[in-house]
Amino acid sequence: AQKVTQAQTEISVVEKEDVTLDCVYETRDTTYYLFWYKQPPSGELVFLIRRNSFDEQNEISGRYSWNFQKSTSSFNFTITASQVVDSAVYFCALSDANFGNEKLTFGTGTRLTIIP
Amino acid sequence: GAGVSQSPSNKVTEKGKDVELRCDPISGHTALYWYRQSLGQGLEFLIYFQGNSAPDKSGLPSDRFSAERTGGSVSTLTIQRTQQEDSAVYLCASSLEGTGSTDTQYFGPGTRLTVL
Repeated sequence: AQKVTQAQTEISVVEKEDVTLDCVYETRDTTYYLFWYKQPPSGELVFLIRRNSFDEQNEISGRYSWNFQKSTSSFNFTITASQVVDSAVYFCALSDANFGNEKLTFGTGTRLTIIP
Repeated sequence: GAGVSQSPSNKVTEKGKDVELRCDPISGHTALYWYRQSLGQGLEFLIYFQGNSAPDKSGLPSDRFSAERTGGSVSTLTIQRTQQEDSAVYLCASSLEGTGSTDTQYFGPGTRLTVL
C-alpha cells in the first residue's frame, strides 16, 4: 500500500525566512510520481510540481525548490525568502504509474503560516 | 482556458436527504476523479472515470455513494440518505490521460457539504 507522511503539522516562520516542508513516502512500485499541491485559504488545490521516480534531479522554480532523494524516500519542498502569500496548507502526494487509475495518495498536509 | 468547475460551492442539507454534486472537467480531459476532504480523514480518493471504461469505485465509502459521468464529460456524485459523517469538501479533478504516463490532476474549487 502507498503512504505519504508529512510529519510537520504546522510551521510558522517570519517573512523572508527560508522554510522546508518534509515529505516521506512509501510504495512498492518502481515507477511512481510525486506531487506537491498548495491549498490557500480559498480552498482550491493548486498544482505546484510533478516528479517521476526516475528523475532525481533537484528542481528550482523561482523561490521554490524540491529535493527528491530515493535513498531516503523523501521529496522535500523548500521556499526561499518566504512571503505572506505563501501562507497555505501544502500537500505532498504519490501516484503509481499504472496505465489505469492513477489516484493520488495524499499526506495529511502541512499548514504554513508566514508572519509579516 | 477554463479550469475544473464544481457546483454548488456550498450545500447544506438535512440528515436523510439525497444530494447531487456536479463537476465539469477541463475540456479535453478524459480522466476524472472525485476526492473527499474531511477533518478526520484528510484527502481521500472516491472514484475514477476514464473515457468509456468502467469506473473504479474502490474508494466509495458506502453504497449510499454513487457517481456517473455522462458523455465522457460532466460528472455527478450522488449521496443518498446523507449522514452527518458525510459532511466534507468534495473535490473533483481531471487529467489529460492521453500521454501514457501519469498526468497531472487539476482540481476544482470543491463543494462544501454540511449535513445537519
